[in-house]
Amino acid sequence: GQQLNQSPQSMFIQEGEDVSMNCTSSSIFNTWLWYKQDPGEGPVLLIALYKAGELTSNGRLTAQFGITRKDSFLNISASIPSDVGIYFCAGRTGNQFYFGTGTSLTVIP
Amino acid sequence: DTEVTQTPKHLVMGMTNKKSLKCEQHMGHRAMYWYKQKAKKPPELMFVYSYEKLSINESVPSRFSPECPNSSLLNLHLHALQPEDSALYLCASSQRRGGGQETQYFGPGTRLLVL
Repeated sequence: GQQLNQSPQSMFIQEGEDVSMNCTSSSIFNTWLWYKQDPGEGPVLLIALYKAGELTSNGRLTAQFGITRKDSFLNISASIPSDVGIYFCAGRTGNQFYFGTGTSLTVIP
Repeated sequence: DTEVTQTPKHLVMGMTNKKSLKCEQHMGHRAMYWYKQKAKKPPELMFVYSYEKLSINESVPSRFSPECPNSSLLNLHLHALQPEDSALYLCASSQRRGGGQETQYFGPGTRLLVL
């Protein structure tokens, strides 16, 4: 199946720093979703985006649906230790959701 | 409420065993999904049910058999699995709302180990 390009693959940051990650695709999507996954658990939905250009926040998280509908980014401000995990983007077209390759985030206290 | 539940949380089975994974959602979602996920990799789609009918089968081996008894339940029957089938199996559901908005929610997963 189709896989989205997500970068960076991994990040090691100091507590309090801001984080930015993005997803790109060769295809147009109708929806962009961002998930966080802890080891051995299911992905937890962080932010959902439905319109090109849409900018949505959820606490310290901000995500945007790219104007071309082929990309999206997620920013985390003032990172804290519990932000550690793997972040996945997902784009929807039709009845299917396609996932990014994931960004592994490590926050150093 | 955006809860999808899965049982069991952990499962160990031999290659000759038959077992089933269960998934339940009470959000009235029309679509339910099974994914397989290996460590540090994205979820891989296996099956999609839409309005209780199988709409997508991503060329999954026949040793995996999905079943959707009703709009709230989704099962995955396992038989004669191989060690490489060991993975986290995730169930998800989604519902399309007005304006084409559709959001997918995941369950906590079943960690499967095949010996």
